[in-house]
Amino acid sequence: EPEVTQTPSHQVTQMGQEVILRCVPISNHLYFYWYRQILGQKVEFLVSFYNNEISEKSEIFDDQFSVERPDGSNFTLKIRSTKLEDSAMYFCASSEVEDSGGGETQYFGPGTRLLVL
Amino acid sequence: RKEVEQDPGPFNVPEGATVAFNCTYSNSASQSFFWYRQDCRKEPKLLMSVYSSGNEDGRFTAQLNRASQYISLLIRDSKLSDSATYLCVVEKIGSARQLTFGSGTQLTVLP
Repeated sequence: EPEVTQTPSHQVTQMGQEVILRCVPISNHLYFYWYRQILGQKVEFLVSFYNNEISEKSEIFDDQFSVERPDGSNFTLKIRSTKLEDSAMYFCASSEVEDSGGGETQYFGPGTRLLVL
Repeated sequence: RKEVEQDPGPFNVPEGATVAFNCTYSNSASQSFFWYRQDCRKEPKLLMSVYSSGNEDGRFTAQLNRASQYISLLIRDSKLSDSATYLCVVEKIGSARQLTFGSGTQLTVLP
């Protein structure tokens, strides 16, 4: 069964450093997403991406964050100048374009656990 | 009011029990509804979509009441492997497929 993959599984960084989280979405999917989950809290939407541009972003997704589809398979989230409060699990997700009317299923990757010290 | 609200639990039930989870959502423009499950420190995984007519998948039954903005999940004959956090998830119309998650209801099925 095809799946979304993410690397690294864990990342430890110093406050103020830049990190790049990588995702390989399911190959025939065209919508991509990033979500985050702070420990003990709910999953929160960050950004959606389609046709090489951001479709929608949340209030969390400020100038510190950026996304990119550098090639035909990878989808990245860059966090500049990390802060302590960026420590969280970051999930990538992808979905197909066609909506059958019942809502389009988003498939989540296993996540990258980011710890900012 | 929270966009998606769930009883956090925990629900501790014996194997074989029937358990029901409820969820309310605040945005009447919500279009699509889902139940995901999340195991500890893992990614959310789709359990089932929720349709207006209600739908069943094996031991799991989901119901939607748009007038009351209420979603439910019923698990029959619960198994140890059902132990997880159940997430109520809503997608808004015109939201570029942004999913809004509830905080989850924790279920532990006891032997």
